[in-house]
Amino acid sequence: GEDVEQSLFLSVREGDSSVINCTYTDSSSTYLYWYKQEPGAGLQLLTYIFSNMDMKQDQRLTVLLNKKDKHLSLRIADTQTGDSAIYFCAGGSYIPTFGRGTSLIVHP
Amino acid sequence: KAGVTQTPRYLIKTRGQQVTLSCSPISGHRSVSWYQQTPGQGLQFLFEYFSETQRNKGNFPGRFSGRQFSNSRSEMNVSTLELGDSALYLCAASRGGGMNTEAFFGQGTRLTVV
Repeated sequence: GEDVEQSLFLSVREGDSSVINCTYTDSSSTYLYWYKQEPGAGLQLLTYIFSNMDMKQDQRLTVLLNKKDKHLSLRIADTQTGDSAIYFCAGGSYIPTFGRGTSLIVHP
Repeated sequence: KAGVTQTPRYLIKTRGQQVTLSCSPISGHRSVSWYQQTPGQGLQFLFEYFSETQRNKGNFPGRFSGRQFSNSRSEMNVSTLELGDSALYLCAASRGGGMNTEAFFGQGTRLTVV
């Protein structure tokens, strides 16, 4: 089955860009997702990318997909303290498999 | 529109007991999936229900079971609770299930087994 790996922590200064990386194993993943989880809350879908795309931009969010290396990244421009949360990437051919999540800490 | 509602939000149980958690999806969302979230393992898929039938199942022991009702509400049950079952249990609802439909998550039920 799918295996999804993420780094566990990322600390950035407010106003800087954040880049969260993810690698996956299932090349048949048709969609790849980024979810955000704030404390005490469920997961909220941030954005997704089709497997036949290389890049998707949505306001401050940019998703890059390198299918050859099975590498997915999420860039958050002008990171704010409100962006502090856990970010999960997810992939798979039917049931999404989630990474363990990257805790993004934004400090002033 | 109302979101996905999970009840209860918090639960404390003793080892050996059983527990039932509930998930009410958004109207029209017939696929309900359940996940166990722990700090060590991340999100682990338990099972998915669609139209009252279990359609997919993860690698959990038979102590974990679920069902879905005709109104798409779903329950999951854990029998003979173990300390390691302490986790946040999340349900996700979508219209048809699968990767090509957006899944909406509830806030989860925090289960503590003592």
